[in-house]
Amino acid sequence: SQQGEEDPQALSIQEGENATMNCSYKTSINNLQWYRQNSGRGLVHLILIRSNEREKHSGRLRVTLDTSKKSSSLLITASRAADTASYFCATVTGTASKLTFGTGTRLQVTL
Amino acid sequence: NAGVTQTPKFQVLKTGQSMTLQCAQDMNHEYMSWYRQDPGMGLRLIHYSVGAGITDQGEVPNGYNVSRSTTEDFPLRLLSAAPSQTSVYFCASSYSNGPGVGNTIYFGEGSWLTVV
Repeated sequence: SQQGEEDPQALSIQEGENATMNCSYKTSINNLQWYRQNSGRGLVHLILIRSNEREKHSGRLRVTLDTSKKSSSLLITASRAADTASYFCATVTGTASKLTFGTGTRLQVTL
Repeated sequence: NAGVTQTPKFQVLKTGQSMTLQCAQDMNHEYMSWYRQDPGMGLRLIHYSVGAGITDQGEVPNGYNVSRSTTEDFPLRLLSAAPSQTSVYFCASSYSNGPGVGNTIYFGEGSWLTVV
């Protein structure tokens, strides 16, 4: 079963707007990671947040983690057409060598 | 430094045929894994390895075999292909024990497999 579930499944915004994607998970985690996938390509790691962290930034990306609600959000500020892609959250439970992916959010950024 | 290389990129198989998807990495990563991605779903882990000679099952291992004779290579074998194995397959690698200790994963570009 999927550990992470992203919301919304699809998001369409205009260039310059902010995009927010949410991820909920079911069990306690060690860390949570966000990945990006361009159409027809492999996944690219964006950012990792550990269970004892609440917020991390990387460029135009901001990730928050609320372990009490078992949820995370990814904010992309000042979006660009090149941000069009699918975004996946993935969780690690304990020290397991397994990354469990959610179903993804498809982001479309239009000019 | 080529990263994670998967071959072939595209393959069509007939039901019952066997084949091997190749995966190689040149980053001296201990951890390697195989995922499959189906429409509307995230990636699901098939098998993984934390080092040469060590493999373990993931979420959906049935119908697939792996081996890890070297650090660089982690081939995925389909024993008797079925239409349900039509999917996009991704190989990935990471330092040491992989994501469990906070390491990020590097993905290959994917192999599109169709079983007819």
